[in-house]
Amino acid sequence: ILNVEQSPQSLHVQEGDSTNFTCSFPSSNFYALHWYRWETAKSPEALFVMTLNGDEKKKGRISATLNTKEGYSYLYIKGSQPEDSATYLCACRGGTSYGKLTFGQGTILTVHP
Amino acid sequence: DTGVSQNPRHKITKRGQNVTFRCDPISEHNRLYWYRQTLGQGPEFLTYFQNEAQLEKSRLLSDRFSAERPKGSFSTLEIQRTEQGDSAMYLCASSLAGTSGILAFFGQGTRLTVV
Repeated sequence: ILNVEQSPQSLHVQEGDSTNFTCSFPSSNFYALHWYRWETAKSPEALFVMTLNGDEKKKGRISATLNTKEGYSYLYIKGSQPEDSATYLCACRGGTSYGKLTFGQGTILTVHP
Repeated sequence: DTGVSQNPRHKITKRGQNVTFRCDPISEHNRLYWYRQTLGQGPEFLTYFQNEAQLEKSRLLSDRFSAERPKGSFSTLEIQRTEQGDSAMYLCASSLAGTSGILAFFGQGTRLTVV
C-alpha cells in the first residue's frame, strides 16, 4: 500500500511570488510520479510524469524534480499568477499496479492579485 | 471534444435511491479507472478496467457499487441504496497501455450529493 503525502495543505501567495510544494512517497516499488493541476469545475490536468531519479521537468513557469531514493518530489512555480490558483495533486504509481495512481491529499494554492 | 467525458456532472439523490454514472474515455484508450474524491482528500482508486475486463477493485468498493465496461468502450458506475457517505466527486480516467509513463487523462467528474 502506497502512502503519498503532500505539504503544505494550502498556500496563499501574492502575485509574482515564487512557491514550491512537496510530495513524499515510499521509495520502494516505485514506478512513476505524476503531478496534476485541478481547477474548480474542470478536469485534473496532467502537468508532468517522471520516472527516473534526478528527473527534472519544466512547463513554462512550472517545474518539478524527482528523488526516488529518498522518496520526494518538488513542484516549483516561478512568478505565480492568479490563474495558477488551483489544487495541485501528486500521484504515485507502484511497479506492480496497472497504472493505478495513489494520490496525495493535494495542495490548494491561492494567488492573490 | 476528444477528452474523457462524464455524465451527469451533478447528481442529487435521496438516501436509498440507486444512481448510475457514465464515463466515455478517449476512444483509443484501453485502460479505464474510476476514482472517488471526498472533501479535503485526494482521489482514491475504486476500480480498473483493461478493455472490458475489470481487473482490480478497491476494498472501498462495497457490494452496493458495481462497474461495467461492456465492449471495452464506455463504462458505468452504479451505486445501489445510496448512503450519505457516498456523497463525493466520482472521477473517471483513461490511458493507453504500453505508453511510457502511462499518462492518465481525467474527466470533469460527477458530483454526487446524497440527501
